[in-house]
Amino acid sequence: DQQVKQNSPSLSVQEGRISILNCDYTNSMFDYFLWYKKYPAEGPTFLISISSIKDKNEDGRFTVFLNKSAKHLSLHIVPSQPGDSAVYFCAARKMGAQKLVFGQGTRLTINP
Amino acid sequence: EAEVAQSPRYKITEKSQAVAFWCDPISGHATLYWYRQILGQGPELLVQFQDESVVDDSQLPKDRFSAERLKGVDSTLKIQPAELGDSAMYLCASSYGENEQFFGPGTRLTVL
Repeated sequence: DQQVKQNSPSLSVQEGRISILNCDYTNSMFDYFLWYKKYPAEGPTFLISISSIKDKNEDGRFTVFLNKSAKHLSLHIVPSQPGDSAVYFCAARKMGAQKLVFGQGTRLTINP
Repeated sequence: EAEVAQSPRYKITEKSQAVAFWCDPISGHATLYWYRQILGQGPELLVQFQDESVVDDSQLPKDRFSAERLKGVDSTLKIQPAELGDSAMYLCASSYGENEQFFGPGTRLTVL
């Protein structure tokens, strides 16, 4: 039972344009969502998060949007840079718990 | 900058052999996690420690996997005997309370 789903295994975007990565979840008990970025041969690094009491959180070029009614969140990167090429994981956490449930990941490639 | 340390970075073993992985979390982080990431999938929690106590090991295959954190600092994950299906990246992470988890570089295990 995949509670967090990233349905796009890969995404290719031109440098300077907007990258939009999507994530869906099924468990309504999730109340905190995170995005991690992973380069080859490295562990995931935390990128940005959002609480369920918000619908948007922004940090520089990165913005996460949360639509609770649709159980959907998205990560926007604008403008996209070559260094953004990596695998992006969406993760979710239940209230009061620390365990993260991860999606399958989306490989983002930024083309020059 | 404080980091989560893991060793070895790579391990090749034959099936039925024993393997062990080591993790040293960020100083002061009471919570330690071991994840397994199979190629093409997101990390999946194997075991979570709060100090030296196991909080969640519901996804740990206890017939062959064991984990310990005797002094509440560093931790060891062991597999005995290893099977072909255990080939994966084993990631260690730590956190301070419910804050975001910081991941180590991982140990890539190949079972032949």
